[in-house]
Amino acid sequence: NAGVTQTPKFRILKIGQSMTLQCTQDMNHNYMYWYRQDPGMGLKLIYYSVGAGITDKGEVPNGYNVSRSTTEDFPLRLELAAPSQTSVYFCASSLGEGPRNSPLHFGNGTRLTVT
Amino acid sequence: KNEVEQSPQNLTAQEGEFITINCSYSVGISALHWLQQHPGGGIVSLFMLSSGKKKHGRLIATINIQEKHSSLHITASHPRDSAVYICAVRSPGDDKIIFGKGTRLHILP
Repeated sequence: NAGVTQTPKFRILKIGQSMTLQCTQDMNHNYMYWYRQDPGMGLKLIYYSVGAGITDKGEVPNGYNVSRSTTEDFPLRLELAAPSQTSVYFCASSLGEGPRNSPLHFGNGTRLTVT
Repeated sequence: KNEVEQSPQNLTAQEGEFITINCSYSVGISALHWLQQHPGGGIVSLFMLSSGKKKHGRLIATINIQEKHSSLHITASHPRDSAVYICAVRSPGDDKIIFGKGTRLHILP
């Protein structure tokens, strides 16, 4: 199993450009998350999904959009990139909550710079 | 909303020392996670626990539900243990996971 795969690893965007960060998992996990990690700060939740067709906002959703058309894929869309979106982005997945609580699996991250 | 506090923020120790990293949270949880992040690297899950104690190699994680506190211990520390250690919690009925800011550990040879 590949686990959680994120692409690209690095990207430089100009202000106002758009891009999609891809995330796919092959573990049939229900829960998927997008986090951003800024220097010296904890991971902040952008969006999450508890299953195909269901998404919800996290702590810092402004400037981002997501979709979950399949269990495997959870792309993160940046529209009109701003310098404040310069960060490292991590996608993660887990089986579920409660009795289905399971370890978190992370992708390797995408380092995004907006200039 | 659950608040997660880790201490210390930074820790430098000599190889071989016993290491303790602490995590406190403010409201009840269904699970607590300990994660490891190497410099420039990805994030790896070390433990998930909801009660008691777990051990994996030189790593031990404990949790006290009544005191809302967890500790991560490293025995016989080694320079390769140098990393950021992150505590994260999920509250019952909440789909979100809240992360602490991490503890940066540096083990000197």
